[in-house]
Amino acid sequence: DADVTQTPRNRITKTGKRIMLECSQTKGHDRMYWYRQDPGLGLRLIYYSFDVKDINKGEISDGYSVSRQAQAKFSLSLESAIPNQTALYFCATSDPLAGTRTQYFGPGTRLTVL
Amino acid sequence: QKEVEQDPGPLSVPEGAIVSLNCTYSNSAFQYFMWYRQYSRKGPELLMYTYSSGNKEDGRFTAQVDKSSKYISLFIRDSQPSDSATYLCAMSVGGSNYKLTFGKGTLLTVNP
Repeated sequence: DADVTQTPRNRITKTGKRIMLECSQTKGHDRMYWYRQDPGLGLRLIYYSFDVKDINKGEISDGYSVSRQAQAKFSLSLESAIPNQTALYFCATSDPLAGTRTQYFGPGTRLTVL
Repeated sequence: QKEVEQDPGPLSVPEGAIVSLNCTYSNSAFQYFMWYRQYSRKGPELLMYTYSSGNKEDGRFTAQVDKSSKYISLFIRDSQPSDSATYLCAMSVGGSNYKLTFGKGTLLTVNP
């Protein structure tokens, strides 16, 4: 089984709709991240969480919100989706006790906003 | 100037070639350096990790970090069609900040 899972894997929605993307992990890592990936722009950090009570904005948080329901679950919401939020979204985790800075990514959610 | 610069390619090579992928960076505080491989429609997966300067080898892959030049490289020997993917460099500063700064990725195709 995958260590980091994301649901749904694909989603098509309409402008103005509220969307939630979910991420679960079995790695036991405290730190979780949400990124979006766009052609030519690479990976950009939306939000990150160091534990259940510590949530921080990344470089492109406008239009997004997050919820850390448990150590293993981190959800990303688009309150009112717009077409330029069409992208590939990735969740990632990291372990501060590992002594490295490596992050482990989920398989991604492909979101299309019409 | 972007913090991390990476040539997007695309790079196309014949099977068996030696591939060199590179990133330059501007932030001298970066201490942790990673290479991720991303297959089409998949999440990035960690390929190589290096702390500070020096070389690290893992099978056909070698990662090099030259902090004096702010330049990192990934070499792939005896490249295989299965190496066809996008390669992303990533870096992080020390301390308690675990955020990664990514390059935009280089698309590599290895032709049989």
